Amino acid sequence: DAGVTQSPTHLIKTRGQQVTLRCSPKSGHDTVSWYQQALGQGPQFIFQYYEEEERQRGNFPDRFSGHQFPNYSSELNVNALLLGDSALYLCASSDTSREGDTQYFGPGTRLTVL
Amino acid sequence: GENVEQHPSTLSVQEGDSAVIKCTYSDSASNYFPWYKQELGKRPQLIIDIRSNVGEKKDQRIAVTLNKTAKHFSLHITETQPEDSAVYFCAPTGFQKLVFGTGTRLLVSP
Repeated sequence: DAGVTQSPTHLIKTRGQQVTLRCSPKSGHDTVSWYQQALGQGPQFIFQYYEEEERQRGNFPDRFSGHQFPNYSSELNVNALLLGDSALYLCASSDTSREGDTQYFGPGTRLTVL
Repeated sequence: GENVEQHPSTLSVQEGDSAVIKCTYSDSASNYFPWYKQELGKRPQLIIDIRSNVGEKKDQRIAVTLNKTAKHFSLHITETQPEDSAVYFCAPTGFQKLVFGTGTRLLVSP
């Protein structure tokens, strides 16, 4: 039973560039949520995808966008990168049809913006 | 908006002691209450959770208690071991959106 996977594991970008991060949910899960975790802080909710649509969103600017594919995998896109976007980006998957609150996290992508 | 606080922020115990971390929240819509353990450089790992229709849940050395009226829930770890050392986050949840607490760094000394 495959768990949540993310790619790439590490990424270095410069200010102003754009980045795409990828997430494959745990087998049987249909919902993907994205979180940003700055160093020394707890994860912050970015947005959640279900049935290929953004279902809810946290307090993040429009530079952060996403997508969910028919196979439930998801992408997070960040445009016009700022130094403050440097963080660990985590995705979590859940099954909306069964106890949808229980979320399991992937290993994360560490993004460094120079 | 949601306000989630954890206390203490740091907790140092001797191996074999018990540890208790308290989480207070403000959103009355929260109905699911998980605790995550995060070791340095790793993903948050779900260790125990409880739903609003239950007051207490136990899994071996770990337990969670919920007081929904007072809007707080606590993580209890008994017989602590050095491998319990990590940062622990509560994440009270409503509508499938985890709202993480400020984190508690637990250090268990041998």
